Amino acid sequence: DVKVTQSSRYLVKRTGEKVFLECVQDMDHENMFWYRQDPGLGLRLIYFSYDVKMKEKGDIPEGYSVSREKKERFSLILESASTNQTSMYLCASSLQSPGFNGYTFGSGTRLTVV
Amino acid sequence: SQQGEEDPQALSIQEGENATMNCSYKTSINNLQWYRQNSGRGLVHLILIRSNEREKHSGRLRVTLDTSKKSSSLLITASRAADTASYFCATDVTQGGKLIFGQGTELSVKP
Repeated sequence: DVKVTQSSRYLVKRTGEKVFLECVQDMDHENMFWYRQDPGLGLRLIYFSYDVKMKEKGDIPEGYSVSREKKERFSLILESASTNQTSMYLCASSLQSPGFNGYTFGSGTRLTVV
Repeated sequence: SQQGEEDPQALSIQEGENATMNCSYKTSINNLQWYRQNSGRGLVHLILIRSNEREKHSGRLRVTLDTSKKSSSLLITASRAADTASYFCATDVTQGGKLIFGQGTELSVKP
């Protein structure tokens, strides 16, 4: 069964800490995405990547960075965590066109910054 | 602003009834997709309909797309308690690239 695995389901970090959220997919997908989900705001795209070592800013990249050193792994980095980054973080992957048939999501990481 | 807007925001029905959710969007699309999210979990892809398609079925799911009205609907027939979840539409405007998600419809199916 195809999978997107996020390293943690729940995470509690302190303000100012550097936080790494890891995402690994085993489907040989080219595209990988990081979203955050907040009540009333829906899913908002933070960063995405179409290829190894390649990254593109999404709608809300401020305060975040990403790394894609290998095709299967896409890491989201909170350089200095703040309380307004408390959220559910969702990683997804997909094939590129013409094979695109939707996203496969991980189970999510609920991050609390205290 | 969000590309997709779902309607209603919340829907409560009895088991066995049909559930209909609607999605409107603003710009031209390559395809539109529907996802389900169980509480506190990731999203699960349900169905994809391309811009040149008008209707698609998958089991108890039926999706329609009206590109002239920039709208789509998801029908779940003979609903079950296990269908209780949030349902999101997502539009693909960049041909396999990033998706833009709506706010979701929260469906509650009572046994």
